[in-house]
Amino acid sequence: GQQLNQSPQSMFIQEGEDVSMNCTSSSIFNTWLWYKQDPGEGPVLLIALYKAGELTSNGRLTAQFGITRKDSFLNISASIPSDVGIYFCAGVIQGAQKLVFGQGTRLTINP
Amino acid sequence: EAGVAQSPRYKIIEKRQSVAFWCNPISGHATLYWYQQILGQGPKLLIQFQNNGVVDDSQLPKDRFSAERLKGVDSTLKIQPAKLEDSAVYLCASSLGAGDYGYTFGSGTRLTVV
Repeated sequence: GQQLNQSPQSMFIQEGEDVSMNCTSSSIFNTWLWYKQDPGEGPVLLIALYKAGELTSNGRLTAQFGITRKDSFLNISASIPSDVGIYFCAGVIQGAQKLVFGQGTRLTINP
Repeated sequence: EAGVAQSPRYKIIEKRQSVAFWCNPISGHATLYWYQQILGQGPKLLIQFQNNGVVDDSQLPKDRFSAERLKGVDSTLKIQPAKLEDSAVYLCASSLGAGDYGYTFGSGTRLTVV
């Protein structure tokens, strides 16, 4: 069944705007990751988080591992056209060893 | 370094036919994964190999899906017979080991069952 709730499902923004998306679950996670998928390609890892409260940046992207260990957030600052794509959160549930994915957030940018 | 290679990129088959997908992981990556991604959804794990052994195949529909990684390198995923609901992108990923969650994904094989 669905273990990760990712929101929003889609976003339509203007170039230059900041973007926020998140993933929540009723389960406790040991690891959170954020991937981006372009059309016709596989997901590409953006940021990995391993500790509750951890805040990690990769260029204009910043992700946080929620204090409760049940959520994670991704922010993109000053969006540019190449940020268009589908962003997936993924996590490893405590006690498990496999990665589960959210449903994705489709980002569209108007120039 | 070379990425994860998958072939074919696209495949169209009729229902009840058979199909096979091939994956060559990154050199030295012990763990290999097959994911199914239905349009509009996130990837769902089908099977995980550690070298040539199966670690997790709990979500693999074993009545029709099979996978092998005979020499601990390349892997094939087979569907026999295919159903309409098998239409999806099949993604292969690899990582250094079971505790390394920074998977590298291939470009996938898009399967259409008609």
